[in-house]
This record gives sequence, C-alpha cells and structure tokens, in this order.
Amino acid sequence: DAKTTQPNSMESNEEEPVHLPCNHSTISGTDYIHWYRQLPSQGPEYVIHGLTSNVNNRMASLAIAEDRKSSTLILHRATLRDAAVYYCILRALLPGGATNKLIFGTGTLLAVQP
Amino acid sequence: DAGITQSPRHKVTETGTPVTLRCHQTENHRYMYWYRQDPGHGLRLIHYSYGVKDTDKGEVSDGYSVSRSKTEDFLLTLESATSSQTSVYFCATGGAQRVYGNTIYFGEGSWLTVV
Repeated sequence: DAKTTQPNSMESNEEEPVHLPCNHSTISGTDYIHWYRQLPSQGPEYVIHGLTSNVNNRMASLAIAEDRKSSTLILHRATLRDAAVYYCILRALLPGGATNKLIFGTGTLLAVQP
Repeated sequence: DAGITQSPRHKVTETGTPVTLRCHQTENHRYMYWYRQDPGHGLRLIHYSYGVKDTDKGEVSDGYSVSRSKTEDFLLTLESATSSQTSVYFCATGGAQRVYGNTIYFGEGSWLTVV
C-alpha cells in the first residue's frame, strides 16, 4: 500500500485559512486521495476525497498536485471545532477490486487558537 | 451518520479471557472493518469483510478473529485477551463504490482494557 507523509502538528488562528499538506510520492494511478478527521474521543469522519482534479465541498477544498505526488487540504476559515487530527489516506484497492480499505497514517494534529 | 452501533462501549476484562465486540449497522453496507487505535500508531486495520461470511486479514490480525453471519453484524473476537490488546476499537462500514462513493463511516469506538 502506498504511504502518506504528513506533519505531526500544525497551528492556526481562528477564522484564518489552514493548509494541511500531504506527500504521497508512491501513489499509483488508480489511488484516490482521501481526507478524514478525528475529533477528540470520536471516530474518524469523512472530509473530502479526489483523484486528479481539485475538489470542493461544504467542509473543505482539496488541491492535488499535477503529478499527484502531493495534496493539500484547505480549510477556508478555521473554527475551534476544526481542532482535530487530520488524516491523509490513499485508498487501497484489493486484488480484483472487490473492496476498498483505508490504511491510516498518524495524521496531523491541528490546533486552532482563538 | 451511517447508523453504526458498537457494543460494548467500555469493557474491562482479565488477561486470558475471551472478549467479543459487536458492530451493528442499519445501512445495508456491504463492507465492514475493524480498526484499533493506540497512541503513536494511529488507526490500524485488524480485519475487514466484503460480504456475508467473506472476511480477510488487515495489518494487525494476530490474536483476533471475526465473523459476519449477516449483513448488519460484524463481530470481533479476542480469543484470549492480552494486555497488548488494550486499545480503542473502531468499527467502520462502507457501501458499494458506485452507489455510495468512496466514503467509509466510523462508529463511536469501544474502549477495551485488559488487566
């Protein structure tokens, strides 16, 4: 399974944009890039995913490098509720494409200061 | 929310005893997963299922077994619990990619302490 590399921690101020980087230099052509986040004492929750093009949804934006070896999760205006661990994950298809599983790294702990 | 219920939510057990964690989902999702989460390791996949009675191993499957006799339930069993299995266990589910996209939904976790 291809691996991802993220900074261990980042800090942001409330209502400012946050750019969370992720490197995935061994990504394969069929791997989707997923972002999940985990708030304290909760299970992870889906944030966004993409393949090649940049993606936007109500939670965040995902910017994918042209060579797909890196991506950036963008929170446009951080709030205190965005303080969480953010995971960048490559979706690994099993042989035969029967299912998909998510292999997590250690993620980035985002602290948001008021 | 994908209607995922984990039970028990908290359990303390003694070394050497068997333990079963249950994951119940109401979304008719085909895929189900068990992860464990420990400080410094993030989330690690234990076992997963891609259909009734179809299961396979993940990254850290030693000491664990699973069963899925019906779509809605995925059981994780520790045959003989050890202190190294003290962890938070998360169940997750996901539907067929074409219908549900690529999103996987997680339960709220089961805190297991082996003393």
